[in-house]
Amino acid sequence: AQTVTQSQPEMSVQEAETVTLSCTYDTSESDYYLFWYKQPPSRQMILVIRQEAYKQQNATENRFSVNFQKAAKSFSLKISDSQLGDAAMYFCARGGYGGATNKLIFGTGTLLAVQP
Amino acid sequence: DTEVTQTPKHLVMGMTNKKSLKCEQHMGHRAMYWYKQKAKKPPELMFVYSYEKLSINESVPSRFSPECPNSSLLNLHLHALQPEDSALYLCASSQADRGPYGYTFGSGTRLTVV
Repeated sequence: AQTVTQSQPEMSVQEAETVTLSCTYDTSESDYYLFWYKQPPSRQMILVIRQEAYKQQNATENRFSVNFQKAAKSFSLKISDSQLGDAAMYFCARGGYGGATNKLIFGTGTLLAVQP
Repeated sequence: DTEVTQTPKHLVMGMTNKKSLKCEQHMGHRAMYWYKQKAKKPPELMFVYSYEKLSINESVPSRFSPECPNSSLLNLHLHALQPEDSALYLCASSQADRGPYGYTFGSGTRLTVV
């Protein structure tokens, strides 16, 4: 089975500090996408950052960056200068190439609390 | 317009009721998706429509009936639901040839079956 594993059910960080959320995955494909989604209490799934597996350079979006280790099948998310608004459930996900029938496979999620 | 709009935001229905959830987007996306999400769990795929045709049905019970009347609209018809069907129902859309690369999610409908 092609799975996505998030080993940290809950994490906590102080405001302005840095936190890293872990994600590992299993796949037999050589080309795929990896994502981090944020789901605040407002319920909407918001794309935080995405990485294409063929790109060696780690993706960065403002305070969010990833550490993508393809050989180790690891895809961690680093949040720098944490803000109260970063508190949410974070889901790691993997998706294939080739269109709508390629499913987005989610991990079990990490609930991030930000302490003032 | 870069949004996926879902209505209603909340729905309470009895087990004998018939109701429908609606999802609308005007981004020109030709793939649309229904997900079910239980509390503190990841979303689970239910249905995929590509170019208004049903592409994937993840063995969903027949009491859930999807419909895609046009490229902008996706409905989920509900009938004779069970209390365990209470969940957040999320709609998403993407370009049909990009699939997971460019999902946009709606805010969901919180469904309670009593």
